[in-house]
Amino acid sequence: GQNIDQPTEMTATEGAIVQINCTYQTSGFNGLFWYQQHAGEAPTFLSYNVLDGLEEKGRFSSFLSRSKGYSYLLLKELQMKDSASYLCAVKGWSGAGSYQLTFGKGTKLSVIP
Amino acid sequence: DSGVTQTPKHLITATGQRVTLRCSPRSGDLSVYWYQQSLDQGLQFLIHYYNGEERAKGNILERFSAQQFPDLHSELNLSSLELGDSALYFCASSLEGQSKEKLFFGSGTQLSVL
Repeated sequence: GQNIDQPTEMTATEGAIVQINCTYQTSGFNGLFWYQQHAGEAPTFLSYNVLDGLEEKGRFSSFLSRSKGYSYLLLKELQMKDSASYLCAVKGWSGAGSYQLTFGKGTKLSVIP
Repeated sequence: DSGVTQTPKHLITATGQRVTLRCSPRSGDLSVYWYQQSLDQGLQFLIHYYNGEERAKGNILERFSAQQFPDLHSELNLSSLELGDSALYFCASSLEGQSKEKLFFGSGTQLSVL
């Protein structure tokens, strides 16, 4: 099976930097994704890591350490529109002959003025 | 707009009933995934179809079934509905279902079982 942990809620100030952590346990690791989900809307893709290191994409960066089962999403220059849930998702072996993308419960980020 | 279409957007029904949720993937995508999202459980993987064939099964109840048709649209059938089945059901699609492919999600069907 797979287990993914991330903080339930975080609050940060507009213009600041926030780091959202994700730890995971899985068999047959085959990639880690971050998705953003605004309340009542569909999740949208933010980033993908399969090798160790940092992937930067504009104001968002994602880091992966496979040996530690750890990832983080870094959001810089926070804007009010960044208030959303951030979902960590791991692709791992399902044990039933296929890979499966498992989502964490998400971190609800509130950006305050 | 992700290009994935889900209907209906909202569905209200009673316990014991049966409903069908429909999903049309992005043009060209062969893989369709179904997820259930409830407040306390987050996004739960239900099932994955690739080009008409079942590829992987997650935490899908026996009362639930799905299929993908030759035109690649998919339907999720939920029967003998219970109060606990109330949730937001998402469909997602990707090109082939490869590990590195990101998923494109539809806007979801909000199911309320009364």
